[in-house]
This record gives sequence, structure tokens and C-alpha cells, in this order.
Amino acid sequence: GENVEQHPSTLSVQEGDSAVIKCTYSDSASNYFPWYKQELGKRPQLIIDIRSNVGEKKDQRIAVTLNKTAKHFSLHITETQPEDSAVYFCAASNGASKIIFGSGTRLSIRP
Amino acid sequence: SAVISQKPSRDICQRGTSLTIQCQVDSQVTMMFWYRQQPGQSLTLIATANQGSEATYESGFVIDKFPISRPNLTFSTLTVSNMSPEDSSIYLCSVEAGGAESEQYFGPGTRLTVT
Repeated sequence: GENVEQHPSTLSVQEGDSAVIKCTYSDSASNYFPWYKQELGKRPQLIIDIRSNVGEKKDQRIAVTLNKTAKHFSLHITETQPEDSAVYFCAASNGASKIIFGSGTRLSIRP
Repeated sequence: SAVISQKPSRDICQRGTSLTIQCQVDSQVTMMFWYRQQPGQSLTLIATANQGSEATYESGFVIDKFPISRPNLTFSTLTVSNMSPEDSSIYLCSVEAGGAESEQYFGPGTRLTVT
């Protein structure tokens, strides 16, 4: 079955700097890669996703890149702000709806 | 997206008892899922709740421990049976919505503590 690895487990960046979270997946049939943000005590919220027919997708300060050959995908947050502090999860799906999550990255933004 | 509610939002239960968690969606959805999130951990898929047939369980989860019902396209229940302290966790339902390029959305979760 699918296995998703996520790094780093914790990340601290200065406010205004960029943050990058990286994931790898094992199942070459995976074709959908969502990213979720989870604030303390709240549900995971879908923030961006990418499908295997594109290599990059951007939405304001966040962007995702996908390298299907290497089975890597990454989340990039630019101009970080205090409200970006949360746990971020990457995930992968092979189109059969079942989503497998990475282990999560706790992002802290230093003022 | 879809509006998803769960009941109860939290509960404290005695070991050996069972708790049924309800998940309600504001629109008909084909796919509903149940996840577990242990403290400080990622989300682990328990099962896919299939409408009109038995749920599909992931490795490590069995029907006797986590029976699931899906009577229609907007509602599902997950029961945590014969609970032990190790079952203390957040249980979340999720749904797939959005048509051709569907996305998965989560309910607010049920925080379960077993004493």
C-alpha cells in the first residue's frame, strides 16, 4: 500500500521568511496530493492540492510542486505570518478516494 | 465543499463500554470515511463507510471493534466498542465532495477519553 513520508517534523521560521515542507510517496499510481493545515483543537482544513497532470500550483502565498518521476511533492509558504503557525499534513491518493497522510510538520513562526 | 457535523463533540467513557459517534453531511455524498487521530499524531484511516453494504476496513481495524453504519448518503455512525484507555483519541469523519475533481473535507471531530 501507499506510504507517505514527510519532513521535517518541526520547522521554525522567522516571520516574513519562507517555509518548505517536503513529502515523498511510494505508490506510483498515486495521482492526487492534498495538503491540510490543522490548528490546535481544530479539524484539518484543505489548503491546496495538486493532481498529477500538473507540476506546480499556486494560491497567493502558498504553492505546491510535484515531481512524479522522483515521487516528491512539496509545500512552499512565502512571506510567513503568525497565523501560518499550525501542523501541516501532506497526503496522497491513487484516485480510489482513500487518502494516506504523512506524519505532519509543526510549523512555528517566530515574531 | 460540504458542511459536516459530528456528535458528540467530546465524551469521557468508562472502559468496557461503547460509544457511537454520528456524522451528518448537508448534501448527498458517495464517499464517507472514518479516521482516528491519536494525541500529537497524524490521521489514520479506520474504514470507508459504504452506503448499502459493509464498511471497508483498513489493516489493523476490525468490524467487531469499530462497527460502522451508513444508512443513506448523508449520514454515518462509528461505534467504538468495549473501550480501553488506548482508544482515547479524536475520531473524525470525512467526505469526498466536489464532482469530477473531488476533494476531501473533515468533520470537527469527536474527542474521546476512556478512563
